[in-house]
Amino acid sequence: KAGVTQTPRYLIKTRGQQVTLSCSPISGHRSVSWYQQTPGQGLQFLFEYFSETQRNKGNFPGRFSGRQFSNSRSEMNVSTLELGDSALYLCASSLAQGPNTGELFFGEGSRLTVL
Amino acid sequence: GNSVTQMEGPVTLSEEAFLTINCTYTATGYPSLFWYVQYPGEGLQLLLKATKADDKGSNKGFEATYRKETTSFHLEKGSVQVSDSAVYFCALKSNNNDMRFGAGTRLTVKP
Repeated sequence: KAGVTQTPRYLIKTRGQQVTLSCSPISGHRSVSWYQQTPGQGLQFLFEYFSETQRNKGNFPGRFSGRQFSNSRSEMNVSTLELGDSALYLCASSLAQGPNTGELFFGEGSRLTVL
Repeated sequence: GNSVTQMEGPVTLSEEAFLTINCTYTATGYPSLFWYVQYPGEGLQLLLKATKADDKGSNKGFEATYRKETTSFHLEKGSVQVSDSAVYFCALKSNNNDMRFGAGTRLTVKP
């Protein structure tokens, strides 16, 4: 069974540009979550999508957005990039069947560097 | 809101030493609790979990017990190995599927 696939793995952008990251969940998983990981802030929750609907959202500015497609693949977009957006962006999928199951399967991440 | 607090690292131990990484949480209701591990250059992977009070999660020699009275879920291992060097994250998932992670604790085990 293929794992969670994130693309691209590495990318470099300059301030003011925008970026789109992609995540393909494990087959059959309908929930996709996104996290930002930085040395200073640790792992911070961005948003979660389930059946193409945003179900939860973290405390990030509106420059961060996402969506989920009917095949459960998800994309996140960051507009008007800032230096502080440099981070490892992790995607995780889960079956999300019933409450309190919660096991997340993570991809290897997309490492974004903003210059 | 829901939150997780875990001991700050880094933690450096010698091989075969005893490991404890403290984790406490704040949540309404009855969350599920997890420990995830991130090896160098990889994404996070589930290490163990507990879904109700007094449950003990265990895997690869690691254990953690869900203590509702102290709102804790401390990770322990009796004898660490060099291959256990990684970053460990405590996490909770609340009834409304809100998932929160601690800041992570970096463990280095020296031969």
